[in-house]
Amino acid sequence: GAVVSQHPSRVICKSGTSVKIECRSLDFQATTMFWYRQFPKQSLMLMATSNEGSKATYEQGVEKDKFLINHASLTLSTLTVTSAHPEDSSFYICSAIPGQYTGELFFGEGSRLTVL
Amino acid sequence: SQKIEQNSEALNIQEGKTATLTCNYTNYSPAYLQWYRQDPGRGPVFLLLIRENEKEKRKERLKVTFDTTLKQSLFHITASQPADSATYLCALGPPGGGNKLTFGTGTQLKVEL
Repeated sequence: GAVVSQHPSRVICKSGTSVKIECRSLDFQATTMFWYRQFPKQSLMLMATSNEGSKATYEQGVEKDKFLINHASLTLSTLTVTSAHPEDSSFYICSAIPGQYTGELFFGEGSRLTVL
Repeated sequence: SQKIEQNSEALNIQEGKTATLTCNYTNYSPAYLQWYRQDPGRGPVFLLLIRENEKEKRKERLKVTFDTTLKQSLFHITASQPADSATYLCALGPPGGGNKLTFGTGTQLKVEL
């Protein structure tokens, strides 16, 4: 149980275009989801906390107009990278909490974004 | 500012030996600490959680210790296997609890035949 699916796993886009990444909890309802980005050999950097039905809470230094997060249902959160540039190329990962937090986060498989 | 340190150099050990990975932190008082496994190009997978009032936790071949005085956690894999090869991340929970984790950079473990 507690499976989180991300789509797409890999995406290549041209500079200036927007890319949407989906994060779905397949077998549980997730009131809270997190979005991270990870550069090679670096730690996961939290970008924002997404709560169902409300606006996302962004970490300091993360542009909310650049990285649009929507958590429209208890099983789906989306991250849209708007007007992507090569420096946005990274590995984006989501995680979800099923109901009451017991300490364990369930992560998606990650999405590799390459902006040309 | 808070800092989490994991050995950035890869740890190479022989199959059957015990692997020990270290997580040190400064300027932080986590309510709990977690260890995750991450394979290349994949998301992390939860392994163990240990709370600030616990000294040791075990799960099958895994053992975690937590020393809040030394501000250190040790992660042990006994009877290591090549399938244990991966990057292992430690993550700290916020003081007082909560669900926003701070991750270390991870240590790559390679178990050789």
